[in-house]
Amino acid sequence: GAGVSQSPSNKVTEKGKDVELRCDPISGHTALYWYRQSLGQGLEFLIYFQGNSAPDKSGLPSDRFSAERTGGSVSTLTIQRTQQEDSAVYLCASSPTVGGSEQYFGPGTRLTVT
Amino acid sequence: QKEVEQDPGPLSVPEGAIVSLNCTYSNSAFQYFMWYRQYSRKGPELLMYTYSSGNKEDGRFTAQVDKSSKYISLFIRDSQPSDSATYLCATVRAGAGSYQLTFGKGTKLSVIP
Repeated sequence: GAGVSQSPSNKVTEKGKDVELRCDPISGHTALYWYRQSLGQGLEFLIYFQGNSAPDKSGLPSDRFSAERTGGSVSTLTIQRTQQEDSAVYLCASSPTVGGSEQYFGPGTRLTVT
Repeated sequence: QKEVEQDPGPLSVPEGAIVSLNCTYSNSAFQYFMWYRQYSRKGPELLMYTYSSGNKEDGRFTAQVDKSSKYISLFIRDSQPSDSATYLCATVRAGAGSYQLTFGKGTKLSVIP
């Protein structure tokens, strides 16, 4: 079956603009995660959606970052007033069970803020 | 001190060598331990996961966890050029209503033919 898909694959934006990144999880997966991976850094947890529960937003670096998950499926990560330090690869993962240890990652969106 | 420490390498080995990749963690509450492989410009893919101390084997890969010393390892036998990638260790702390996954920075491995 289809894996996790993300769009766009690459995004170049000017500093100060807003961007939206999209994630389509594997069908039927109840948990969805967003991570950020900067050059030379590990994966940084951003936010976690589990079923219909309120998301765990503890990893969001500032209030410029927000995410939503509509209908328990597709998720959108929004970054407002982008800064150069936001440049990174944004990865989405989904898991078949709430709290499941097996996460399946998408290919990521490479964001460059100029 | 970071919760998960991993030597970033790079690590370069000849084809056929045994590779040892290691991580240490600081929080004894971590319950699950995983290894991911990430090829360049791709998302990470799960290689192995375990929740207890001891060894878990899958083909040429063996994951080892020592909870007493908070040390996790991945061994690759008969390494192949196709194993060249970045390997990320990860730990999971799960509880009622919460789920936290922490990654190491990753070790870049090159297997030379």
